[in-house]
Amino acid sequence: DSGVTQTPKHLITATGQRVTLRCSPRSGDLSVYWYQQSLDQGLQFLIQYYNGEERAKGNILERFSAQQFPDLHSELNLSSLELGDSALYFCASSERTGRNSPLHFGNGTRLTVT
Amino acid sequence: AQSVTQLDSHVSVSEGTPVLLRCNYSSSYSPSLFWYVQHPNKGLQLLLKYTSAATLVKGINGFEAEFKKSETSFHLTKPSAHMSDAAEYFCVVSDKGNQGGKLIFGQGTELSVKP
Repeated sequence: DSGVTQTPKHLITATGQRVTLRCSPRSGDLSVYWYQQSLDQGLQFLIQYYNGEERAKGNILERFSAQQFPDLHSELNLSSLELGDSALYFCASSERTGRNSPLHFGNGTRLTVT
Repeated sequence: AQSVTQLDSHVSVSEGTPVLLRCNYSSSYSPSLFWYVQHPNKGLQLLLKYTSAATLVKGINGFEAEFKKSETSFHLTKPSAHMSDAAEYFCVVSDKGNQGGKLIFGQGTELSVKP
């Protein structure tokens, strides 16, 4: 058990809809990261927050947004969903930010857009 | 720019035989390298990491990897495969600086273990 909790485990929704994915980091971890895993793109970095502030941005679409709250949990909001957004979305956390700080991943939220 | 290439998309071994999962990286900087494992329907778990200390890195579950700068390789090995090792393995290089979350993942190697 990594200590990172993601909810829900599964989401099935229709195109055009909006969903929110939730992540609770490991106790004591200040950094939260979001990744998207799909068959064609592999694992892609979306965005990172550190202690409530956006720290780094990857291949995140404008239809997607995220935030980290004062209690350090994070939410990833996906709107105007398209079929291609179907993927496994992972949250990860680390104690610090920096390239040597290993990430601890949650079990992911599987999003299916129909 | 950093990149990582996993040379095999699928590796099949028999239980009790050695495992070799190959990874080559490209980096303009002294890299940090990781191997992660993903079991079905599970999140990614860190197996081991290299961060410019010892070139031979020991990880969990008997895995180890050797950083070879001259070959730009970071291959993952295990002397004897176990059925529970069947999973997908990702070689990862980390971007420099404070943007530690910008991990660049290889495409993954699926390891099958036959009884």
